[in-house]
Amino acid sequence: ETGVTQSPTHLIKTRGQQVTLRCSSQSGHNTVSWYQQALGQGPQFIFQYYREEENGRGNFPPRFSGLQFPNYSSELNVNALELDDSALYLCASSLTGYNSPLHFGNGTRLTVT
Amino acid sequence: TQLLEQSPQFLSIQEGENLTVYCNSSSVFSSLQWYRQEPGEGPVLLVTVVTGGEVKKLKRLTFQFGDARKDSSLHITAAQPGDTGLYLCAGAPVSSGSARQLTFGSGTQLTVLP
Repeated sequence: ETGVTQSPTHLIKTRGQQVTLRCSSQSGHNTVSWYQQALGQGPQFIFQYYREEENGRGNFPPRFSGLQFPNYSSELNVNALELDDSALYLCASSLTGYNSPLHFGNGTRLTVT
Repeated sequence: TQLLEQSPQFLSIQEGENLTVYCNSSSVFSSLQWYRQEPGEGPVLLVTVVTGGEVKKLKRLTFQFGDARKDSSLHITAAQPGDTGLYLCAGAPVSSGSARQLTFGSGTQLTVLP
């Protein structure tokens, strides 16, 4: 069973640039969620995708967008990067079902300078 | 906006000691999960509690969900250096449609010294 994999592991961008982060779900999982974890904080929910559609969103501006593909993999796109976007971005996959456990990847560490 | 407050934020203890981590909110959650996160890795689920008053044990770890489903605690007996890590609680709201929008606490960084 392949776990959740994220790429790249580390990334350095300049303020104002755009970035795309990628996530491959655990085999058989059809739901993907993205979280932002600032240093010293708990993860914050960005959005969730199910059947290639966004079906839940946290308190993040529209410049955070995403995609889910037919094979359930996903992308997180962030436009017009700001210094405060520097964080660990975590992808989590799960089965449908409210109490289905989330399986997290090891994240992408984004640094915005 | 639902918030989860975790305490303490940092905890450094000697091997063999007991400890308790608390997770509190003014909001009701349908379930509450505890995760452990190590440096450079994503959180790993330890347990999910669903029923108010529920107690679950995982070896030396005991998890409790408050009767009103607003708070939870994690108790570790005879801590070992391998227990070192960031412990996170996360609550699932009573209603968020089909989305699994978990609210995380800010975490407790536990260090167990040999």
